[in-house]
Amino acid sequence: DTEVTQTPKHLVMGMTNKKSLKCEQHMGHRAMYWYKQKAKKPPELMFVYSYEKLSINESVPSRFSPECPNSSLLNLHLHALQPEDSALYLCASSPPGKGTGELFFGEGSRLTVL
Amino acid sequence: KQEVTQIPAALSVPEGENLVLNCSFTDSAIYNLQWFRQDPGKGLTSLLLIQSSQREQTSGRLNASLDKSSGRSTLYIAASQPGDSATYLCAVSSRNAGGTSYGKLTFGQGTILTVHP
Repeated sequence: DTEVTQTPKHLVMGMTNKKSLKCEQHMGHRAMYWYKQKAKKPPELMFVYSYEKLSINESVPSRFSPECPNSSLLNLHLHALQPEDSALYLCASSPPGKGTGELFFGEGSRLTVL
Repeated sequence: KQEVTQIPAALSVPEGENLVLNCSFTDSAIYNLQWFRQDPGKGLTSLLLIQSSQREQTSGRLNASLDKSSGRSTLYIAASQPGDSATYLCAVSSRNAGGTSYGKLTFGQGTILTVHP
């Protein structure tokens, strides 16, 4: 299994809603990532989890709350978002240790905030 | 701060042509460099990864080279096909003091490739 699976593929939410994005991998990777990609722009890093601990937070607003319940799962909890948060949210994972450091990406969750 | 630049921003070629996409980066202390393909509205597909100690990698019709000292990489696509049409992204991972990757990829703006029949 060489896949990173993201659900849902599409999500529409109002500014007062609470929703979550989910990411799952079964490749034994111990680093997982959330990236945000706006239209016609490259992906930008939001969070990095290494061995289930948050290691990088790129000054992301608190309305985005990541969670890593175990080594295979990564969630992104969303609350009180703004329309400008509409974007493609990409999850990625990479092997542990001094390996190649290759990142494997999922298909993304397209979020629309009304 | 690492900055990655890709040239050209867009490229349109007839089917069958060989082509080169360029990527440059400002900080040579990289852990690796990855080339990705992205189809509209989709995720990123890893094409090739070059470790900092390597000079090139090949996969099928794709060949990527790395010149770390000059901060450049090229992606060569041989005998292009309409199915190659996509956005191609170059990304570098910086090296931390422990000799491993920070885990943060810095992306270029991408090259939009169109191969017409």
